[in-house]
This record gives sequence, structure tokens and C-alpha cells, in this order.
Amino acid sequence: GQQLNQSPQSMFIQEGEDVSMNCTSSSIFNTWLWYKQDPGEGPVLLIALYKAGELTSNGRLTAQFGITRKDSFLNISASIPSDVGIYFCAGLFTGTASKLTFGTGTRLQVTL
Amino acid sequence: GAVVSQHPSWVICKSGTSVKIECRSLDFQATTMFWYRQFPKQSLMLMATSNEGSKATYEQGVEKDKFLINHASLTLSTLTVTSAHPEDSSFYICSASTDVGYTFGSGTRLTVV
Repeated sequence: GQQLNQSPQSMFIQEGEDVSMNCTSSSIFNTWLWYKQDPGEGPVLLIALYKAGELTSNGRLTAQFGITRKDSFLNISASIPSDVGIYFCAGLFTGTASKLTFGTGTRLQVTL
Repeated sequence: GAVVSQHPSWVICKSGTSVKIECRSLDFQATTMFWYRQFPKQSLMLMATSNEGSKATYEQGVEKDKFLINHASLTLSTLTVTSAHPEDSSFYICSASTDVGYTFGSGTRLTVV
């Protein structure tokens, strides 16, 4: 199936640093979702974006829905050890078959 | 908030046997649920869309006779891996659409020996 291109693939950062990751698609979406997955668990929704250009924050997380509707980014400020995990973007084009398309994932490691 | 409960969290079975995985929406009704498979260090790949009261819709390349899906009520969908083989070992995750997005279960780690 289709996957979105997510970058970077992995990141090693120090505690306190800011993180930025993005997701691009060849297709347009009308909803972008960002999830975090811990080992052995299902993804947990972090932020949902519903409108092109929308900028939304959730605590230290900020995400934006690209104007072209083909991309989105997620920023994490002042990273902490519990930010470790895999972050996935997911795009949705609502219609008769409203299926999520997932990004390839960004693995985040935070060192003290 | 909307909670999706998945059971079991892990299962080990012998090759050739069948395994059933349950996905329940605990505090909402889900007419549609989704089943994903995730191999180590990879993303989630949609296997099928489960529709309450009707047949599931399978993604290209997913064998419907091997991965049986039943969605008999608005709060329960089941995935049965029939005649499991070692290559079916994977992490299976269900999800349901809610008013705040798509909520996922905690996943089932299937190991076929």
C-alpha cells in the first residue's frame, strides 16, 4: 500500500533540544494526524490537523498542515527522555473509503 | 475519551493452528474498524476495513480466506488468522474512527512457532 515519506528516519538528540520532523505526500489529504508509538504498543494520537495552513499545539508539540495539503511537520520543543519512541504521520482523505495512510516513521532517541 | 481495547496482547501458537484477535470499542460505537499489520521497524500497513454487518474490505495482496474478519456488533471486530505459519508472525493492531481521529488498540504480538 501507499506510504508517506517521513524524514528523518531516525534522530539522536540530547535532552532539552528541539526536534523537527516532516512528512510529504504525492497526494493531497484533508486531514493530517501525528501519532507516537512506544515499543509493543499501539499508536497514540498526538495532534490532529483539519485545515490547510492550520498550526496546532499540544503542550511542547506543534504541528502544521501544509498549504499544498501534501505535507505536514511536527516540532517537539525542549525534549525529555519520555519523548523517546517512533513518531508517525498519517494522512486521510475523507470519502467513501476513509483510510489512513501512514508515514514511514521517525525513530527518536533522547540522551541525557 | 474513546478507548479501543485489543485482546490478547500477545499469543504464541503452533504452525497450522488458528488464532483469533478481538478489538472492542469500549465507550463508543464503531461501525467501521481497521486492521493493520506491523513488521519490526516498519510502519503500519492496512490489511482490511471491517464493516459492521457486512463483509470486510481487504487491501490488495491480503488473503481474505486467511485473515477472516467478523464485525457482528457495533463494538466488536475480530480478526482470525487461519492456518498460521511463521511468516504470519507480526504485530497486529486494530483501530476505530472517533470524533477526535483514529484511535488504536494496544496491539497483539503474534508469534507462530
